[in-house]
Amino acid sequence: GAVVSQHPSRVICKSGTSVKIECRSLDFQATTMFWYRQFPKQSLMLMATSNEGSKATYEQGVEKDKFLINHASLTLSTLTVTSAHPEDSSFYICSARRTESTYEQYFGPGTRLTVT
Amino acid sequence: LAKTTQPISMDSYEGQEVNITCSHNNIATNDYITWYQQFPSQGPRFIIQGYKTKVTNEVASLFIPADRKSSTLSLPRVSLSDTAVYYCLVVKTSYDKVIFGPGTSLSVIP
Repeated sequence: GAVVSQHPSRVICKSGTSVKIECRSLDFQATTMFWYRQFPKQSLMLMATSNEGSKATYEQGVEKDKFLINHASLTLSTLTVTSAHPEDSSFYICSARRTESTYEQYFGPGTRLTVT
Repeated sequence: LAKTTQPISMDSYEGQEVNITCSHNNIATNDYITWYQQFPSQGPRFIIQGYKTKVTNEVASLFIPADRKSSTLSLPRVSLSDTAVYYCLVVKTSYDKVIFGPGTSLSVIP
C-alpha cells in the first residue's frame, strides 16, 4: 500500500509553453501533498505544500504565479509550470501524507522536465 | 524545524555493516526520526522510522539514544545495490512540511 504515482515520468517542452504534472495517491487519501524540485547532485528542495480544497503554501523564493498548484481531491494534486524556461529544467517530485497520519509521507517516482 | 547533520559521503565494501549517524540536537518531544533512501532519478523511498530506542525492519535498524539528539541507521551486509543517498529527517506530528538536508551519499565498493 501507500503508492504515489506521477505523470508524466519525463517531458520535454519548448521554452514559453506550460507543462502540467500530476501526482496521485493510488491507495490512500492524502489531505496534504508536497512538491519538491531537485537539481543534479543536490538534495530535494521543498517548493510548496498543497492542501485539498485550499490554496497551496509556497516556500520563500518560489514564484506562485509560475508554479501553479491545484489539489482538487484527496488523491490528486497537479503542478503546472507556466511559461517554462530552460532554467526550470529539473526533477520534480511529489509526496503525499496520509489523511489519518501526520507523519507518514510517501513519495512519487518523480518527473524529469526538460525545457528546450 | 529541527536541523539534521549527517556525513556527506561514506564508502563501504560489500558485505560490511554500514552505520550512518545523524545529529538532531534540537529535536522536540513530538518529533519522529525518519530515514529515506534515494537512487538517481527516483523519488525517495521510506526505509525506517522511530521515536526512541531501537527499531528494526527487514532492511535496516534504527538506534536512538535516550536523549534522542542523534540517531544511527544501520544497514547490515550492504551490497552494490545499496549505493544511494540516505536522508535523515526529523518529522513533526504538528507541522506539515519536511525539509531535506544534503543527505549521505553511500558508495558500496566490490
